[in-house]
Amino acid sequence: GEDVEQSLFLSVREGDSSVINCTYTDSSSTYLYWYKQEPGAGLQLLTYIFSNMDMKQDQRLTVLLNKKDKHLSLRIADTQTGDSAIYFCAESRTSGTYKYIFGTGTRLKVLA
Amino acid sequence: DVKVTQSSRYLVKRTGEKVFLECVQDMDHENMFWYRQDPGLGLRLIYFSYDVKMKEKGDIPEGYSVSREKKERFSLILESASTNQTSMYLCASSFLAGQTETQYFGPGTRLLVL
Repeated sequence: GEDVEQSLFLSVREGDSSVINCTYTDSSSTYLYWYKQEPGAGLQLLTYIFSNMDMKQDQRLTVLLNKKDKHLSLRIADTQTGDSAIYFCAESRTSGTYKYIFGTGTRLKVLA
Repeated sequence: DVKVTQSSRYLVKRTGEKVFLECVQDMDHENMFWYRQDPGLGLRLIYFSYDVKMKEKGDIPEGYSVSREKKERFSLILESASTNQTSMYLCASSFLAGQTETQYFGPGTRLLVL
């Protein structure tokens, strides 16, 4: 299939780490992205990783890529209430008609 | 900063009405997209455009059409609105920098069809 899959919900306590997972299917994907959607807003790019990298860190965000298993994760350290949002992974593909495929989104709820 | 604006944040229409959703971007991006977002289904691509007067069908084009007469504007048209088109509609624009393509999104239009 061509789906990019994510779990729908994740709940964590403030100060804990959050790990949001994503699996994709196309091995020709060149870049993988994480977007954040806050309530009532459009999506904003958080970070991206090139497919030949295993890890990328950007302040509180760590992206891990397991290309063999086609698994992408986003770790948010010291999760804050302002991190509550929907997180989408996306892949850009070099084959097929569409260049960009979004996952189903994971709703992160941070409990105070 | 890139700005993508959508003509309305909320719309209420009746079944059978013709609906226009407008999207404007101010960064001279070639690519523009219309998605709909539904709970548990993520974003689904309706139509996209890589140039003026050019359009390509996405995953769910049925019941929709689009227009791109100017580079900065991409319109989504519901010829005869139906209740199953009640959704959040998101417009995006992008450009290709090497192999990286970041999409910039508008705030969304929440459409209710009665």
